[in-house]
Amino acid sequence: SQQGEEDPQALSIQEGENATMNCSYKTSINNLQWYRQNSGRGLVHLILIRSNEREKHSGRLRVTLDTSKKSSSLLITASRAADTASYFCATDPTDSWGKLQFGAGTQVVVTP
Amino acid sequence: NAGVTQTPKFQVLKTGQSMTLQCAQDMNHEYMSWYRQDPGMGLRLIHYSVGAGITDQGEVPNGYNVSRSTTEDFPLRLLSAAPSQTSVYFCASSYPTQGRYEQYFGPGTRLTVT
Repeated sequence: SQQGEEDPQALSIQEGENATMNCSYKTSINNLQWYRQNSGRGLVHLILIRSNEREKHSGRLRVTLDTSKKSSSLLITASRAADTASYFCATDPTDSWGKLQFGAGTQVVVTP
Repeated sequence: NAGVTQTPKFQVLKTGQSMTLQCAQDMNHEYMSWYRQDPGMGLRLIHYSVGAGITDQGEVPNGYNVSRSTTEDFPLRLLSAAPSQTSVYFCASSYPTQGRYEQYFGPGTRLTVT
C-alpha cells in the first residue's frame, strides 16, 4: 500500500513561476522526505522534514508539514527548465522505521 | 565515492529464468533496500537490510530473495522470473543510526520479462 499521495499528478509551468505540490499520508511518521527523479535516472534526495518541524527551507525549496492534517507541501520558487522532473514524497513511519513509503509522484514540466 | 552502483543497467529474461541484480555501496551505510518502480505507482519496497546478516521483507517480497553477507553488497535474486516482475529496480542505502535518514539511490536496473 502507498502511504503518500501527491497532488497534482502533473504540473506544467513556465520558467520563473513557482511550483507547488502536495502530499497526504495516513499514519504517524518520524519524518517526511522529498525526492526528485529525472527521466530514466535514480531518485535524488531533496529535503527531509522531521515530525516536530513545521517548515524547512533549502535554496529554492520550501517544505511544510502539518501532522494534524497528515499533509506536506513542496514549493519550488523561480522554476527553471532544469527543474523538469518527477517529484516524490516518502514517509518514514513510526511503526516501521526506515521502511520508506512513496507516493506515485508529481510530474513537473517547466518550459522556457 | 562511487555511491550506490547497480548492475546490469538493462536485462531481458524469459519467463522461468533466474538472475541476480547486483547492488553495492561504498559509503559504509548500514541500511540498504530494494524497490521496484512501476508506472503510476511510485516505488514499492521489496526487501531491506539493517546490517550485514540481517534482512527483512518489505511490501512486495514474493518472488525475490536477498542476502547481506557484507556491509557493501546487497544482491537481489529473482528465483523464477514472471512477466509481472517487469519493472525498474532501484537499490538504496542510508545511515540512520548516525541521524542520516535520507536514502541514496542507484541508477536502476530496467528488467523486462517476456
